[in-house]
Formats: sequence, C-alpha cells, structure tokens
Amino acid sequence: SAVISQKPSRDICQRGTSLTIQCQVDSQVTMMFWYRQQPGQSLTLIATANQGSEATYESGFVIDKFPISRPNLTFSTLTVSNMSPEDSSIYLCSVRTSFSYEQYFGPGTRLTVT
Amino acid sequence: DQQVKQNSPSLSVQEGRISILNCDYTNSMFDYFLWYKKYPAEGPTFLISISSIKDKNEDGRFTVFLNKSAKHLSLHIVPSQPGDSAVYFCAAMNDYKLSFGAGTTVTVRA
Repeated sequence: SAVISQKPSRDICQRGTSLTIQCQVDSQVTMMFWYRQQPGQSLTLIATANQGSEATYESGFVIDKFPISRPNLTFSTLTVSNMSPEDSSIYLCSVRTSFSYEQYFGPGTRLTVT
Repeated sequence: DQQVKQNSPSLSVQEGRISILNCDYTNSMFDYFLWYKKYPAEGPTFLISISSIKDKNEDGRFTVFLNKSAKHLSLHIVPSQPGDSAVYFCAAMNDYKLSFGAGTTVTVRA
C-alpha cells in the first residue's frame, strides 16, 4: 500500500472564498482520485486526477467548481471554489497502484464553510 | 440512484462473537468488491476484497462472501474485538471507479 498525506487536515472558511487541498503520496501511483463525504453520507467520487491532462469529472461535478491538478505521479491538488455552506464535507484523496485493484485513502480534509 | 446499499446502519455485537455485515448491489457490471473500515477523523482503511469470479476470500479474522446471482456480499469478522468498533463501508468497482454504500457502524461490546 501507499502512504498518503493531505494538507490541510481541517479548515474553516468563509463563503465565497476558495481552498486548495494537497495530496502527497510516498511512491509513484498510476491513478489518483478525489472523493467527498458530506455529513452523514457515504463517499462520492468527484473526479479522477490525470497526470499532465485535465481531470475526468463525475456527473454533478464541474471543473469550474473543483479544479484539479496533477503535475506528477505523486502529487495532486483539489480546489473548492466560491464555497458555500453546502460544500462543508470531508474531502479525501485516494490512489491506486498498477499492482492491484485496491484503492488507498488519505486521512481526509475536513472543511467547514460558514 | 444508490447502486450499493448497506441496509443496516448499525450493528452491536459482543466481544468474541461473529459480526456479519451485509451489502447489496444493483449494477451487474461491478467486477470487484471491497470492504473498508473507517475510524472518526481518519480516512477509510482497506480491509479485504473479492473478485467477481470468486465466491469467498479470507484474510485472518475477515472473510468476504459474494453471491453474484443475488447481487449480495457479506463480511464476516470472527472473533470480534473492541478495536473493530468503527464504520464499515462496502464498495463496488466498475472500470476502476468505486461506488460506496452508506456504511454500517459496528460496536463491539465487552
């Protein structure tokens, strides 16, 4: 498995502002993903972060709201733009290596928008 | 539309006994299934998985059973330990994308 870190671990932000979340992996991985877990809900895939190209977004998520970068095989960022209280969630980075089907998750970023 | 369902939001079990968690799915394209465990303020931790071509996979105290015809899988934990108290998520994969159930909160009583 890979060791995954996320920054920040938590933040409280005002509506209308943006927050960028960083995800760092200790080894090169083939695939990186971003998930959201809203309060009392399950995990929902936001997008697949593609190295060197635009991310692939799931239905209901758009690039203008959740821009994603992946400059190399160990790092990705997710920005939550023009935040509203409905964006209050835990945001999770996950990775998949080329050796297995399993996905491994980072510790998450707990975002509260006031 | 929720394609992966965990119909029991909570489960309480005595230490040393068996915990059985259930999961149902609707999409026949799912070809790989995983169970994750999550403690508060932490990310999900991978527990065990099973391919759609198998019906059972065992790893220590954890066994996952898959019934493709019923579109049902279950996780057995034997024996249950206090450290097993957590939220357990069932997940199903189609084309590398995971769909998650709502989770089952397991409480192991001493």
